[in-house]
Amino acid sequence: NAGVTQTPKFQVLKTGQSMTLQCAQDMNHEYMSWYRQDPGMGLRLIHYSVGAGITDQGEVPNGYNVSRSTTEDFPLRLLSAAPSQTSVYFCASSPSSGRSYNEQFFGPGTRLTVL
Amino acid sequence: QQPVQSPQAVILREGEDAVINCSSSKALYSVHWYRQKHGEAPVFLMILLKGGEQKGHDKISASFNEKKQQSSLYLTASQLSYSGTYFCGTEGPNNAGNMLTFGGGTRLMVKP
Repeated sequence: NAGVTQTPKFQVLKTGQSMTLQCAQDMNHEYMSWYRQDPGMGLRLIHYSVGAGITDQGEVPNGYNVSRSTTEDFPLRLLSAAPSQTSVYFCASSPSSGRSYNEQFFGPGTRLTVL
Repeated sequence: QQPVQSPQAVILREGEDAVINCSSSKALYSVHWYRQKHGEAPVFLMILLKGGEQKGHDKISASFNEKKQQSSLYLTASQLSYSGTYFCGTEGPNNAGNMLTFGGGTRLMVKP
C-alpha cells in the first residue's frame, strides 16, 4: 500500500492563479480531509468528506473547493490564489467516518507559496 | 475553538521526563495525540477516550480528564527520537465523526 499520496510536493503560484492539489489513498478509507499548517497555528481543517459524494466545510474553507467522486481521490482546488494561502497542505484519511476512534493517516504534504 | 497546548517548547537531555498539556474550553469526547518531525507528516501516537483512560505507547503515555477538559502526554526517559512537535487534536460531542481541532503544538527537543 502506498498509503496517502499528495502531488505536487512543492508549488509556486502567482496571485490570482488557480490550481488543484491532488490527494489519493489506497486503503479504502471512508473519511478524508484537508488541513493547512501555518507556523504556530497547528493544523487547521479546510474541508472534509465522510464518503464519496459527500463533503463539508471545516474551520477555514474560504477560497477552497473540494469534491469526492471516488473513495480514493479527494482533490483540493484553489480558486484564485492569494498570498494568505501560502502554507503547507496535508491530506489525511481515516478508516471510518463514525465515532470509532480511528487514527488519521497523513500524506507527505504540499508546500505552496503564493507570490 | 483551538485547544491550548503548554508548554510551547521544551528542551530535554536524553533520559529526562516531560509532560505536555492540552486544554480545551469545550466539552471533549476524545483527545488524539500526534507527533510531527521536521519536514514530515504528523504521525499518530494514541487516542484518549472520555472516562479518564490512560493509554500507552512505548514510554509515552497519556491521560484524559473529561471534567477538566484536559489531556496530558507523558514522555518518560526521553530518547533522541522523541524530538519533534507534538499536537493534540480534540473531538467535541457535536463533531462529525473524526473531525478534529488541533492545538498549536509543543516543540520538543531532546539533546544527548
